[in-house]
Amino acid sequence: DAKTTQPTSMDCAEGRAANLPCNHSTISGNEYVYWYRQIHSQGPQYIIHGLKNNETNEMASLIITEDRKSSTLILPHATLRDTAVYYCIVRVAGDYKLSFGAGTTVTVRA
Amino acid sequence: GAVVSQHPSWVICKSGTSVKIECRSLDFQATTMFWYRQFPKQSLMLMATSNEGSKATYEQGVEKDKFLINHASLTLSTLTVTSAHPEDSSFYICSAIGRVGTGELFFGEGSRLTVL
Repeated sequence: DAKTTQPTSMDCAEGRAANLPCNHSTISGNEYVYWYRQIHSQGPQYIIHGLKNNETNEMASLIITEDRKSSTLILPHATLRDTAVYYCIVRVAGDYKLSFGAGTTVTVRA
Repeated sequence: GAVVSQHPSWVICKSGTSVKIECRSLDFQATTMFWYRQFPKQSLMLMATSNEGSKATYEQGVEKDKFLINHASLTLSTLTVTSAHPEDSSFYICSAIGRVGTGELFFGEGSRLTVL
């Protein structure tokens, strides 16, 4: 049973910000929100994670709503190399058995 | 950062033969590794948890006699697909838990198996 809901696909323009939504309305208090992406024919790549505060790293920003029922991954300046399937996953710290949903297929267009 | 490497990246074999895929943690020790399978246009499905020095734990519906997992050292786990058939053709991906305290998972590049 899916713990997260993401749009199936989205397009964005190169150089623009890409905002990827994720709903996790049944998230528990001890579950983190993780984002991974998978470029075609490669293994998943970790992007970012957070518990309740917004987070930013060199790849992206993660905005988590105050009620923690949804979040948004922001790629500030999308490039063609950001074309990938993006997975939003909720998990408890220390639980490494990831359950991947269908993710969002992001296509960055020139 | 931590790196997990898989070998081979791709392999083609005849039906009925066995194929071994290796997963190595290159700069850290991994007591636990995970094996996933991904069919075309589908998401990753967890197959099993590989534990160093003990038996692997398989997910429901995964045949342990068909997908043999050996985790003989702290840096190497192997997945052997025995008596492979065309329906076993898939993208196999491993992951490893990073250094103690980091809490992070690192994924290999994946191994594409094609069974003729």
